[in-house]
Amino acid sequence: GAGVSQSPRYKVAKRGQDVALRCDPISGHVSLFWYQQALGQGPEFLTYFQNEAQLDKSGLPSDRFFAERPEGSVSTLKIQRTQQEDSAVYLCASSLLTSSGYTFGSGTRLTVV
Amino acid sequence: GIQVEQSPPDLILQEGANSTLRCNFSDSVNNLQWFHQNPWGQLINLFYIPSGTKQNGRLSATTVATERYSLLYISSSQTTDSGVYFCAVETGGGADGLTFGKGTHLIIQP
Repeated sequence: GAGVSQSPRYKVAKRGQDVALRCDPISGHVSLFWYQQALGQGPEFLTYFQNEAQLDKSGLPSDRFFAERPEGSVSTLKIQRTQQEDSAVYLCASSLLTSSGYTFGSGTRLTVV
Repeated sequence: GIQVEQSPPDLILQEGANSTLRCNFSDSVNNLQWFHQNPWGQLINLFYIPSGTKQNGRLSATTVATERYSLLYISSSQTTDSGVYFCAVETGGGADGLTFGKGTHLIIQP
């Protein structure tokens, strides 16, 4: 597609629910990144894929967070047993190469109540 | 990890004014990008500029890698330039993602 597409745009979850956030990167982009942005802060790195391989997951805050990109294109970020501190905007970005400009999606705003 | 400091944190200007935003970083980088986050939350890539100077219309950027800073220049500001400007850097290998600064919140008044 023309840009990075994320869905849903907004998600409200009750504490303890599992959620799945989808990212559809620009076609042909090898690198895919997930970031978490809290209100009033800059985005913080969560995890990185090169094609289907998850090369870095050091930013995932706990083992409740899991990401996959099984066919090297669409990626899903899953959060199990959501907690209030998980409330944030989750941003996905893709790039053609690791050392090139990133294109971000519009993000998914997750609110845990 | 690498530290990224942006200044000023907030800036209010009248339409037509020029501005310079600064980004200092604490280690060598192989990737530096400037982003504009508009009031609707969309992050737009302005420049990929690990070194050197680039220009795009009213915007230009310079990175002096040896001195570990980058500058973003905005000329003839328009109200649509309002938003948060982020500098983000990566130290190497491509596997550690970008580290973002806290941003400069720019308000352009008509």
